[in-house]
Amino acid sequence: AAGVIQSPRHLIKEKRETATLKCYPIPRHDTVYWYQQGPGQDPQFLISFYEKMQSDKGSIPDRFSAQQFSDYHSELNMSSLELGDSALYFCASSPGGSYGYTFGSGTRLTVV
Amino acid sequence: AQKVTQAQTEISVVEKEDVTLDCVYETRDTTYYLFWYKQPPSGELVFLIRRNSFDEQNEISGRYSWNFQKSTSSFNFTITASQVVDSAVYFCALILTSNRDDKIIFGKGTRLHILP
Repeated sequence: AAGVIQSPRHLIKEKRETATLKCYPIPRHDTVYWYQQGPGQDPQFLISFYEKMQSDKGSIPDRFSAQQFSDYHSELNMSSLELGDSALYFCASSPGGSYGYTFGSGTRLTVV
Repeated sequence: AQKVTQAQTEISVVEKEDVTLDCVYETRDTTYYLFWYKQPPSGELVFLIRRNSFDEQNEISGRYSWNFQKSTSSFNFTITASQVVDSAVYFCALILTSNRDDKIIFGKGTRLHILP
């Protein structure tokens, strides 16, 4: 069965650079969520999209932005990267509600 | 406010022992879902179980079992005859169904070490 695809799996950036993470949800899933997991922490909700519109927002820094495109894939853009942005970034998708809520394998971002 | 508490930060047991991971949740909603995820050292979140608030039946899947008790707002997870491969961080999580597209609220996780 198709899963949530995240790319890249690993990314190394320098401080003040920009990073773009991509997420391809499971087909027919119309909702995408982004989570950030710092070292030794639990995943924290950043932002979600339903039918290409932002539906909810968590503790997402102003330096981050995201969008969902017409093919339902989503991109998380992070600018002016800081050392503290080093984390695992998970994308999840669902067809609505909790049933079928599926996480991708994550992108590990390291800022040096 | 919604909250998930995993009081055990870290647990170490010897292989073949049974171990129970505790999870207590808080919500005023009557309809919600509870999850357990496993996060091995490789980092991915592995789905283990999803249970809705109206289903208090305990569940067993191989060496894994879950005890859901609404009266105490607990959803505990037991691994029987633990194995080294069970070593991981385990997250209990909650999602509300009052909103169509709500986020998952995770506990802080329990790091489980299975010693050979």
